Amino acid sequence: EPEVTQTPSHQVTQMGQEVILRCVPISNHLYFYWYRQILGQKVEFLVSFYNNEISEKSEIFDDQFSVERPDGSNFTLKIRSTKLEDSAMYFCASIVGQGIGNTIYFGEGSWLTVV
Amino acid sequence: AQTVTQSQPEMSVQEAETVTLSCTYDTSESNYYLFWYKQPPSRQMILVIRQEAYKQQNATENRFSVNFQKAAKSFSLKISDSQLGDTAMYFCAFMKHANSGGSNYKLTFGKGTLLTVNP
Repeated sequence: EPEVTQTPSHQVTQMGQEVILRCVPISNHLYFYWYRQILGQKVEFLVSFYNNEISEKSEIFDDQFSVERPDGSNFTLKIRSTKLEDSAMYFCASIVGQGIGNTIYFGEGSWLTVV
Repeated sequence: AQTVTQSQPEMSVQEAETVTLSCTYDTSESNYYLFWYKQPPSRQMILVIRQEAYKQQNATENRFSVNFQKAAKSFSLKISDSQLGDTAMYFCAFMKHANSGGSNYKLTFGKGTLLTVNP
């Protein structure tokens, strides 16, 4: 079964450092997402990406965050200057986006610890 | 904006018994999808079951079934013959239908219910 893959699975970074989380969505999917889950809390939407541009972003997704799809397969989330409160599990997800019966597939997550 | 409420932070059940997890939601949309996702200790998000709002028939997937009450905006998950591997956090989620303006297929999650299956 096709799957969304994410790297790294776990990253520890110093506060103020830049972090890039990488994702390879399922190949025929058209919509891509990043979600965040702070430990013990619910999963929160960060951003959706379609047709090579951001289609929607949440209040969490401020100027410190950016996304891009540099080469047609990878989908990256960059946090420019990490803060302690950015410590969370970050999930990449994708969906075909056409027709009925759509399902969003999630990657296994990237656990970011900011110290 | 849509909201999803899971009123049971934690539940427990004996192995082989049946348990029902509650979920209510609020939306002005008439066409949408509802989901239950399972998150085991590995923290991966695994789709358990999906319901299209326009379908009156409740979705079933092996031991998992839902009770979808559209008028009441209720979407509960029933797990039959509970197994130890069912121990996980369960999230209810809402997604606007593609034909709704500005869908983007974005998921809105509830806070989750931690289910423990006891041997």
